[in-house]
Amino acid sequence: GAGVSQSPRYKVAKRGQDVALRCDPISGHVSLFWYQQALGQGPEFLTYFQNEAQLDKSGLPSDRFFAERPEGSVSTLKIQRTQQEDSAVYLCASSLVTDTQYFGPGTRLTVL
Amino acid sequence: TQLLEQSPQFLSIQEGENLTVYCNSSSVFSSLQWYRQEPGEGPVLLVTVVTGGEVKKLKRLTFQFGDARKDSSLHITAAQPGDTGLYLCAGARGNNRLAFGKGNQVVVIP
Repeated sequence: GAGVSQSPRYKVAKRGQDVALRCDPISGHVSLFWYQQALGQGPEFLTYFQNEAQLDKSGLPSDRFFAERPEGSVSTLKIQRTQQEDSAVYLCASSLVTDTQYFGPGTRLTVL
Repeated sequence: TQLLEQSPQFLSIQEGENLTVYCNSSSVFSSLQWYRQEPGEGPVLLVTVVTGGEVKKLKRLTFQFGDARKDSSLHITAAQPGDTGLYLCAGARGNNRLAFGKGNQVVVIP
């Protein structure tokens, strides 16, 4: 059975570059979440989708961060003009309508 | 400010010993989840506790949810090297968003 997949697994960007991180949720899962996990920290909530609707984006740290889920399945997290403080692991999770979220392996972003 | 405080942050024990780690908050949660995360991987759900005072067992792991649904503990009996990992607790708020603690890093030495 397929779990949540994320790509790329690792991304190195030069400061100022734009990056796009992809998340493929578990088939049929309505809800999709993005979290940011800095080194030595727990995951921090970024944004939440229910189907294609972005219901909560209160955790996005700046307007350089943008997420979309146009067809209610695959989601992309885009970071414009990356900065060193954006270096972190970006985790995607999906769920049905319950509290149980299933996480992908994450994308480790390093901004040089 | 961290919504959930986990203690101790780091714990190293010998194989066969018992250990308990804690997750505390001043907030009430509709449910609380424990995950284990290994290096380079995403968190993997271990258990969800919903009812105040609830106790759940998963093999050698025992999870307890506080009566007031603000805190939780994880007890591991006869720890094994395979139990090594970062244990994260997470409380569910509105919209199902999870608030995580920083984690308890557990190392079991063979």
